[in-house]
Amino acid sequence: GAVVSQHPSRVICKSGTSVKIECRSLDFQATTMFWYRQFPKQSLMLMATSNEGSKATYEQGVEKDKFLINHASLTLSTLTVTSAHPEDSSFYICSASADRDVQPQHFGDGTRLSIL
Amino acid sequence: DAKTTQPPSMDCAEGRAANLPCNHSTISGNEYVYWYRQIHSQGPQYIIHGLKNNETNEMASLIITEDRKSSTLILPHATLRDTAVYYCIVRVADSWGKLQFGAGTQVVVTP
Repeated sequence: GAVVSQHPSRVICKSGTSVKIECRSLDFQATTMFWYRQFPKQSLMLMATSNEGSKATYEQGVEKDKFLINHASLTLSTLTVTSAHPEDSSFYICSASADRDVQPQHFGDGTRLSIL
Repeated sequence: DAKTTQPPSMDCAEGRAANLPCNHSTISGNEYVYWYRQIHSQGPQYIIHGLKNNETNEMASLIITEDRKSSTLILPHATLRDTAVYYCIVRVADSWGKLQFGAGTQVVVTP
């Protein structure tokens, strides 16, 4: 099946640090990638949608200057949490889709971000 | 996209079939039903999807009622590794693939 790799799996860093998370589709070209955030005991919340070569579309309430998304190729999208603070601590998950229509999204294993 | 309603939790005995219901009474004609599951501290895993016909793959079967207002995911022989939160999601094709996750059903498979 389709494989999406996310790196790193866990990050612990100090407040004020910027953290970059990578999401790669290993065996297919992902025209669209998605970034989600999940707080403990809650469901996934979509943060943004990115298409290769264009600017990401952010969901309402998500700060685009705080969460920088780059989708430079059909196999790689990155999420950078800028000047992270403790309230940004969460489980960040990416997904990728070969097309925007019927094909299902495939998810990475997530990144556990802890800001001290 | 149409909203879905799922029971918050279900228990299932190992080796038995698990039948997970989902109501989507406001589903429209061009909306597909997708099922994902999330094992603790992992990313969601795609299980199956369908429009109106029943579907089966190596993981599960999806039964969609004729009026499409509800569906059932069937895990034919539940194992302990099937313990997870199961999400039923409906979405429109050509909606940029957005998935809106609800609370899902916590399924616990017991020995």
